[in-house]
Amino acid sequence: EAGVTQFPSHSVIEKGQTVTLRCDPISGHDNLYWYRRVMGKEIKFLLHFVKESKQDESGMPNNRFLAERTGGTYSTLKVQPAELEDSGVYFCASSQETRLDTQYFGPGTRLTVL
Amino acid sequence: AQSVTQLGSHVSVSEGALVLLRCNYSSSVPPYLFWYVQYPNQGLQLLLKYTSAATLVKGINGFEAEFKKSETSFHLTKPSAHMSDAAEYFCAVKEGWGNTPLVFGKGTRLSVIA
Repeated sequence: EAGVTQFPSHSVIEKGQTVTLRCDPISGHDNLYWYRRVMGKEIKFLLHFVKESKQDESGMPNNRFLAERTGGTYSTLKVQPAELEDSGVYFCASSQETRLDTQYFGPGTRLTVL
Repeated sequence: AQSVTQLGSHVSVSEGALVLLRCNYSSSVPPYLFWYVQYPNQGLQLLLKYTSAATLVKGINGFEAEFKKSETSFHLTKPSAHMSDAAEYFCAVKEGWGNTPLVFGKGTRLSVIA
């Protein structure tokens, strides 16, 4: 069974540009989470989807971030326009509805904004 | 609000020595507790979890952790360090079983010296 996959693994963009990160959860996992780790800080929750619905987006830093999960499968996280402080590693995780205690993480996308 | 404190951002041990990584948490409800590991250039991998069953939890690769409610701690141990244990370790807390996000500590980087 394939794990959580994320694309791209690295992205380097200039301030003001747009970047879209993609996450493919484990097949059959209705819950999908986005987290972010800014360098030197802890991993922080951004938002949570249940199928295609946003369950909790309390961690989204501002309206430059837009997450979608059309059809309840893969998810995208768009940053527009990117700022320097958006640099960090963006992790995606998924969990089964029947096993909410365990989240499986992807390898992350390292975003660098110059 | 929940929080996690990991004492020591960097821990160094000799090969064959005891590994002890400290984690203290705060939670207003009985917590679920997790240790994740991130090897170089890889994603987060679940090492072990405490979900209100046995207080001593055994995980993969010879690691274990003990939940101590009176001390609000969930320290990670391994009797004998191996070079392959060099990685970054994250302690996380979750508020109960439901659809709640993980709250992470800042991580502890473990170095193993030959």
